[in-house]
Amino acid sequence: GDSVTQMEGPVTLSEEACLTINCTYTATGYPSLFWYVQYPGEGLQLLLKATKADDKGSNKGFEATYRKETTSFHLEKGSVQVSDSAVYFCALSDLGQGAQKLVFGQGTRLTINP
Amino acid sequence: SAVISQKPSRDICQRGTSLTIQCQVDSQVTMMFWYRQQPGQSLTLIATANQGSEATYESGFVIDKFPISRPNLTFSTLTVSNMSPEDSSIYLCSARTRDPDSYGYTFGSGTRLTVV
Repeated sequence: GDSVTQMEGPVTLSEEACLTINCTYTATGYPSLFWYVQYPGEGLQLLLKATKADDKGSNKGFEATYRKETTSFHLEKGSVQVSDSAVYFCALSDLGQGAQKLVFGQGTRLTINP
Repeated sequence: SAVISQKPSRDICQRGTSLTIQCQVDSQVTMMFWYRQQPGQSLTLIATANQGSEATYESGFVIDKFPISRPNLTFSTLTVSNMSPEDSSIYLCSARTRDPDSYGYTFGSGTRLTVV
């Protein structure tokens, strides 16, 4: 079945450091890919998405590019802030196979120190 | 964008009892989903709830333990039955909407359940 593998955490960085959180996927069809963020005590929020190969999703300084050849969707940010501290989930939805559900990676806890 | 109101936001329950979690969507949706997030873990889909039909459960989850109701296109409940400490988790509902901002997936804020 479909699956998502994320870089294990936790990740701790200093403010203004560069961030990369790796995400790779396995899917039967041609999935849409997502990054969700969960701030402490809150629900999931969509951070960015990409629906086809070479699409780049971006939001709040974060970017991720849908790489079909490497089945990857790595999350990047050039300069992180303390407010970026949260848990980040990579996910996919394989709508082409008729599956409406989201499949999540294991999550990566990010802590940014001032 | 679409909003899901989920309640309760948290509860502490005695083992052997049951808790019903409610989710209300502010627009009509076809599909709703219930997830479990165990401490420090990712989200695992429990079941998919379509209006007017039986919920579809994922492997490892059964209706007797997690009965789901979906009486209309804006509301669903999940009951965690005969609870044990292993059921302590965050439970999240989600809906597939037509909201382009969320690409159709909207989440409730979650129910943090502690079983003692």
